[in-house]
Amino acid sequence: GQQVMQIPQYQHVQEGEDFTTYCNSSTTLSNIQWYKQRPGGHPVFLIQLVKSGEVKKQKRLTFQFGEAKKNSSLHITATQTTDVGTYFCADTSGTYKYIFGTGTRLKVLA
Amino acid sequence: ETGVTQTPRHLVMGMTNKKSLKCEQHLGHNAMYWYKQSAKKPLELMFVYNFKEQTENNSVPSRFSPECPNSSHLFLHLHTLQPEDSALYLCASSSFAGGSYEQYFGPGTRLTVT
Repeated sequence: GQQVMQIPQYQHVQEGEDFTTYCNSSTTLSNIQWYKQRPGGHPVFLIQLVKSGEVKKQKRLTFQFGEAKKNSSLHITATQTTDVGTYFCADTSGTYKYIFGTGTRLKVLA
Repeated sequence: ETGVTQTPRHLVMGMTNKKSLKCEQHLGHNAMYWYKQSAKKPLELMFVYNFKEQTENNSVPSRFSPECPNSSHLFLHLHTLQPEDSALYLCASSSFAGGSYEQYFGPGTRLTVT
């Protein structure tokens, strides 16, 4: 079946450094959603990407969908301690079906 | 965020017990989901209900039994669980509106099977 892998699995950065997580699929992605889960919390929706090559920005966060729709990335500029958490991508392979990536756990050192 | 609530928040049960997890969404969504989140695995989709009808069952063992009496409530009945079933069980809801079906998650039930 389809696998959605994320790299890296863990990332420790110094506050102020940039951070990027990559989401790669074994098959073509339908739509990509990104979620953030704070330690001890639950996943919270960040954004959805639909079109090939699409780029969206939310303040310091930049989301990109690959041209071939087989990968996506999330880039955070100048990380802050509030960015700590695990970032998941999810492929909405069907209208109500979601396949989540393995997640990238981000730790920000002050 | 209190759009999706789950009870109980923590549950410890023996392998011979029967218990139920409850989820309620106050967002007017038509779809509800159960996920299992283990320490070293990605979020695993277990069940999907759309307008009370089950549309997905991802090869979940029969010791997990879902119930969806209406679009706002979802239950997960548990019986004769195994220690490897210990995990965080997350409920979510969504609605297909304008091409975006973002999921709203509840806080989860932390289940420990002894």
